[in-house]
Amino acid sequence: SQELEQSPQSLIVQEGKNLTINCTSSKTLYGLYWYKQKYGEGLIFLMMLQKGGEEKSHEKITAKLDEKKQQSSLHITASQPSHAGIYLCGAGGSSNTGKLIFGQGTTLQVKP
Amino acid sequence: DAMVIQNPRYQVTQFGKPVTLSCSQTLNHNVMYWYQQKSSQAPKLLFHYYDKDFNNEADTPDNFQSRRPNTSFCFLDIRSPGLGDAAMYLCATSRRTIGSTEAFFGQGTRLTVV
Repeated sequence: SQELEQSPQSLIVQEGKNLTINCTSSKTLYGLYWYKQKYGEGLIFLMMLQKGGEEKSHEKITAKLDEKKQQSSLHITASQPSHAGIYLCGAGGSSNTGKLIFGQGTTLQVKP
Repeated sequence: DAMVIQNPRYQVTQFGKPVTLSCSQTLNHNVMYWYQQKSSQAPKLLFHYYDKDFNNEADTPDNFQSRRPNTSFCFLDIRSPGLGDAAMYLCATSRRTIGSTEAFFGQGTRLTVV
């Protein structure tokens, strides 16, 4: 079965600093998703990547899917306290079942 | 407006007392998921419905069951909750096959077992 591993597990940065979160899959990715979760709440969709080499940006957050489609990175530029939360990468399998699994998450704290 | 709605947001149940969590969607999506998320862990897929087809994960305990009476509603039944079942339960929906479209999540139901 497919597994997703995120690194680092937790991150504390000073406001204004850049940071990167990585997500590595044990199998080829067919659709890679990045979600953000505030403590005690549901998941908020950030971005979806499908094609190898694809890169998407939203405000100060950029996500990339590598050419081999087994790794993705999420980069935050000039971090702000509002970026704090848990970032989760998710992936669908290659089968046509609709299954969606997640990595273990990266907890981000941004110090003012 | 909320598109995936979970009720209740917080649920306290007694050890061994059956409990049902509900999820409704206004998106008319084919697929509905139930995840269990324990503190500081990733959401763990319990099962999902692809239309009426039920897909149970191999390691989902028999204590957990689900019903999907129609496209809009899906229920999670915990027959005999144990202390280890205390967690956040997340419902999500997506159109057809994941990989081409994102999944939308509800706000979750936090279950406490006393």
